[in-house]
Amino acid sequence: AQTVTQSQPEMSVQEAETVTLSCTYDTSESDYYLFWYKQPPSRQMILVIRQEAYKQQNATENRFSVNFQKAAKSFSLKISDSQLGDAAMYFCAYQNNNAGNMLTFGGGTRLMVKP
Amino acid sequence: NAGVTQTPKFQVLKTGQSMTLQCAQDMNHNSMYWYRQDPGMGLRLIYYSASEGTTDKGEVPNGYNVSRLNKREFSLRLESAAPSQTSVYFCASSEGQSSIYEQYFGPGTRLTVT
Repeated sequence: AQTVTQSQPEMSVQEAETVTLSCTYDTSESDYYLFWYKQPPSRQMILVIRQEAYKQQNATENRFSVNFQKAAKSFSLKISDSQLGDAAMYFCAYQNNNAGNMLTFGGGTRLMVKP
Repeated sequence: NAGVTQTPKFQVLKTGQSMTLQCAQDMNHNSMYWYRQDPGMGLRLIYYSASEGTTDKGEVPNGYNVSRLNKREFSLRLESAAPSQTSVYFCASSEGQSSIYEQYFGPGTRLTVT
């Protein structure tokens, strides 16, 4: 079974600074997808960024980028120029085409942004 | 275009009571999912429906039943609620079952069982 681990329950960052959230996963599959979701206090799950495992190039979406290390099974999220609106729970998730397209989530990291 | 909608937003049940959580999507998606999120944890898949007329168990199906009423609607039923089912329930949908399709989430239903 696949597992996703986020080792940082809480992180804080100063506004305008950069922060990196860590995620590791375990799988025997070679073809899969990895995601970072943001969950603000409203509870809405918002997709931040996704990475296809077969792509070596790290995904970027504006201020958000990932460092995908397939051999190490590591998938970290870097948030540059942090903004107050970035404060939320962040979940790393794994998915492959088996097991009904199920998303397997990590336990989450609470990000606080200090003004 | 409302996306994925869920009703109710909040519910309190007594142990042993039953209820149905409703989910609807207006994106013409084929696949729909029910997840639960316990405090301090990520979401876990309860059941999914790859397409209209099919349903399958996910990671934590015990104590739940589902119905894919039509392409738009996917309901989750608790026949005899237990305190362990206190959680936030999320419905999601995607265009297809392949991982290339993004899952879109509803706003969640917070359920408390006393």
